[in-house]
Amino acid sequence: KNQVEQSPQSLIILEGKNCTLQCNYTVSPFSNLRWYKQDTGRGPVSLTIMTFSENTKSNGRYTATLDADTKQSSLHITASQLSDSASYICVVSATGSSYKLIFGSGTRLLVRP
Amino acid sequence: DVKVTQSSRYLVKRTGEKVFLECVQDMDHENMFWYRQDPGLGLRLIYFSYDVKMKEKGDIPEGYSVSREKKERFSLILESASTNQTSMYLCASSFRNYRPNNEQFFGPGTRLTVL
Repeated sequence: KNQVEQSPQSLIILEGKNCTLQCNYTVSPFSNLRWYKQDTGRGPVSLTIMTFSENTKSNGRYTATLDADTKQSSLHITASQLSDSASYICVVSATGSSYKLIFGSGTRLLVRP
Repeated sequence: DVKVTQSSRYLVKRTGEKVFLECVQDMDHENMFWYRQDPGLGLRLIYFSYDVKMKEKGDIPEGYSVSREKKERFSLILESASTNQTSMYLCASSFRNYRPNNEQFFGPGTRLTVL
């Protein structure tokens, strides 16, 4: 069964600190993996997308990595800011399905001053 | 910028009422989607439309129907609302052509409460 699991479920860090969020997936055949940021009460917004051949991608202070062999991805946030407080969702799609996405349940990040 | 808008941010309805959720996108996307989001479950696909008047069931279509009369507009209908349909509803859109980085753009969501 295609699944996406994220850890931790929630995380509290101090402003200015770094953190790393994890995503493991069992989707096959793999096409791409995306990280979305969802502010409370808002829709998800894409941060990065990686295909099979890419193992790292950055978007400002966000850096995503992908290990297609172990089926793991991570999202690293550098020098966190209060505005980084949100849920981060890992989403995987399978080859042959341009629209069917498998969503993780997200990691809720709280950045404290 | 892609814009996906939803008709209501918050909605409160009573059990048995017929509920309409509207979604409009301005990027000429062929695909439109309705998801619901519940704590600990992630987003789940309710229905998908790849063209006007075309629709496909997603993972959890029971109790819902959809309408796509115009390319830019996709409506979700709860025929007879029930309390277990209390949830956050998210609309999304994307281009149809398959590309590995084809992205779905999401609306702000409608938080529906059924009493």
